[in-house]
Amino acid sequence: EVHLVQSGAEVKKPGESLRISCKGSGYSFTNYWINWVRQMPGTGLEWMGRIDPSDSYINYSPSFQGHVTISADKSISTAYLQWSSLKASDTAIYFCARKHDYSTFDPWGQGTLVTVSS
Amino acid sequence: SYVLTQPPSVSVAPGQTAKITCGGNNIGSKSVHWYQQKPGQAPVLVVYDDGDRPSGIPERFSGSNSGNTATLTISRVEAGDEADYYCQVWDSSSDVLFGGGTKLTVL
Repeated sequence: EVHLVQSGAEVKKPGESLRISCKGSGYSFTNYWINWVRQMPGTGLEWMGRIDPSDSYINYSPSFQGHVTISADKSISTAYLQWSSLKASDTAIYFCARKHDYSTFDPWGQGTLVTVSS
Repeated sequence: SYVLTQPPSVSVAPGQTAKITCGGNNIGSKSVHWYQQKPGQAPVLVVYDDGDRPSGIPERFSGSNSGNTATLTISRVEAGDEADYYCQVWDSSSDVLFGGGTKLTVL
C-alpha cells in the first residue's frame, strides 16, 4: 500500500530554521512528483510547490518562491520542506502529497503542524 | 490568474442529495478533481477527471463538468459525509489551483 508519512509537530520561535520531512513507501519514489500544500488555521488548501525526486527538479508557486526550500533525498525516499527564518505567519499544517494520474494528489501525508510563536 | 469559486457552505438532510459547485472561466475545458477533508485529517481524493472515482470511494460520489461550473454530487447523504470539500485543477498560468472549499453540513 502506498503511504506518505510526515515528521511530527514542531513548535518554533520566529527567526528559527526548520526542516520537515515526508517519507514515501509502497511505490517507486522516483516515479512520482511530491507536492507540498499549506493549510493555515481554519482556511483552505494552498499549493506551495513540487519536486521530481528522480532529478530534484522543482517548481514553486509564486506565492512561496523565496520563502521556502523544497528538496529530496531519493536514497531514503524522503522529501523535505524547509525554512531558514520562520515567521508567525508560517503557522499552519503542511501536507505532502504524491502527484498521481490526471495531476491529482493521491495519497496525502498525515500533515505536519508547525507552530511559530514567541 | 485563474480562480476557482466554491460556496462556503452547503447543508443537506440525511438521505438527500448534496450538490457542491466549483466555478471557473470555461472550467469545462479542464480536468477537475475533488477532495474530501474531515476535521483533523488529510484530504482524500473522491472524484478525479471530472467524474471518475478512485477505488474504495462509494458510488454515491459523482461529478460533472460543463461550461463554467463543475459539480460534485453526493447521493443518499450520510452523517459520515460531513466534511470540507475542495475542487482542484491544473491551469497553464496558475499551475495547481484549489477552490476555497465548501463545508458540507448534514442536518
